[in-house]
Amino acid sequence: QQQVKQSPQSLIVQKGGISIINCAYENTAFDYFPWYQQFPGKGPALLIAIRPDVSEKKEGRFTISFNKSAKQFSLHIMDSQPGDSATYFCAASLNQGGKLIFGQGTELSVKP
Amino acid sequence: ETGVTQSPTHLIKTRGQQVTLRCSSQSGHNTVSWYQQALGQGPQFIFQYYREEENGRGNFPPRFSGLQFPNYSSELNVNALELDDSALYLCASSPGQGYGYTFGSGTRLTVV
Repeated sequence: QQQVKQSPQSLIVQKGGISIINCAYENTAFDYFPWYQQFPGKGPALLIAIRPDVSEKKEGRFTISFNKSAKQFSLHIMDSQPGDSATYFCAASLNQGGKLIFGQGTELSVKP
Repeated sequence: ETGVTQSPTHLIKTRGQQVTLRCSSQSGHNTVSWYQQALGQGPQFIFQYYREEENGRGNFPPRFSGLQFPNYSSELNVNALELDDSALYLCASSPGQGYGYTFGSGTRLTVV
């Protein structure tokens, strides 16, 4: 019940395209859903986060869509750029500042 | 000083040895968490400290222990190292409830 399942494992997108990464969770008590970006040799960096009382949140080219009834949320990267090539992790926690349960990660490659 | 600093960046140890990893958080970040990230996997929660007391632990054996100090630094200690302990160890700090975490770049531990 504590798992967060992420797909796809890897994704190749052309420059300018839309990258979509999906996550599903089981614990309905989760209250905070962040997305992290990780470059090789670096720690995860917070990209954008959402709470379950909101169905969508947008920050620049990054959008989270949240479907509470389906217990799913997704990250959309619009106008994908080669500099977006990284590993992306979804996560969930019972509260902001609490233990994070991470998905398995998606390795995104944006081709020029 | 901003950000989370971890040391050392890389470390090689022999099976059975003990290791201490260090983390320096931002001033005012009284919550620190440690995560283990195996190659190609999402980070796994080890434990969390709040104001120098452990207040949450993941599914890790007691040979994983930690300390948090009043100067916002912390340590992760691992005794009786096993080959499977080889991973990237991440420290993350937060000002507390309602705030997200800032991750360090991690310590890459290799056990041979």
